[in-house]
Amino acid sequence: QLQLQESGSGLVKPSQTLSLTCAVSGGSISSGGYSWSWIRQPPGKGLEYIGFIYDIGSTYYNPSLKSRVTMSVDRSKNQFSLKLTSVTAADTAVYYCVRGGGSSWYRGGFFDHWGPGTLVTVSS
Amino acid sequence: IVLTQSPGTLSLSPGERATLSCRAGQSVSSSFLAWYQQEPGQAPRLLIYDSSTRATGIPDRFSGSGSGTDFTLTISRLEPEDFAVYYCQQYGSLPITFGQGTRLDIK
Repeated sequence: QLQLQESGSGLVKPSQTLSLTCAVSGGSISSGGYSWSWIRQPPGKGLEYIGFIYDIGSTYYNPSLKSRVTMSVDRSKNQFSLKLTSVTAADTAVYYCVRGGGSSWYRGGFFDHWGPGTLVTVSS
Repeated sequence: IVLTQSPGTLSLSPGERATLSCRAGQSVSSSFLAWYQQEPGQAPRLLIYDSSTRATGIPDRFSGSGSGTDFTLTISRLEPEDFAVYYCQQYGSLPITFGQGTRLDIK
């Protein structure tokens, strides 16, 4: 059974860089027909899409965050990562890594597997 | 594409029928619309994709319908575990967007 698990710094200072990794188990991140995304949810609020990557390194970032986001894949470790620069309090959220599938997987798709999420707080 | 969910909160009793709406600001390509359920402190769970296809393991009391700009999630007979927040998501156009959610409360 596919499982995803986020890890990374839970507390980041303003203006610094948020770094998260998603470890994938029970399946290969290089499997064709899937993309790998990050989604965030500020406390008590709704879901915001950050972007996706798929195994050949193709990426898409939400224009609202594009200037600050970088995603990468490490096939040898079966994991993918998120970096978000110049963070502010508005970036405080639970961050989820997810698998995207369906016939539009190459444009993100729908999300059939989610990590449990990790809370990142931006504060000095 | 902006997705607007209604109502914001729906208060019903177990056994009743729930109808949740998701309206898109423009047509959703190929009915690429999904529904998720989120319980407190947990990650969302996929219920429906491609507007009307139930995800693996989802009970048949959940059904989805719609096309174009108007989509509906129906829960035929509410069970106690169905009281949660529900989100719609479109994946027909980039950027992917979510609705703001409908909270389903026990009356």
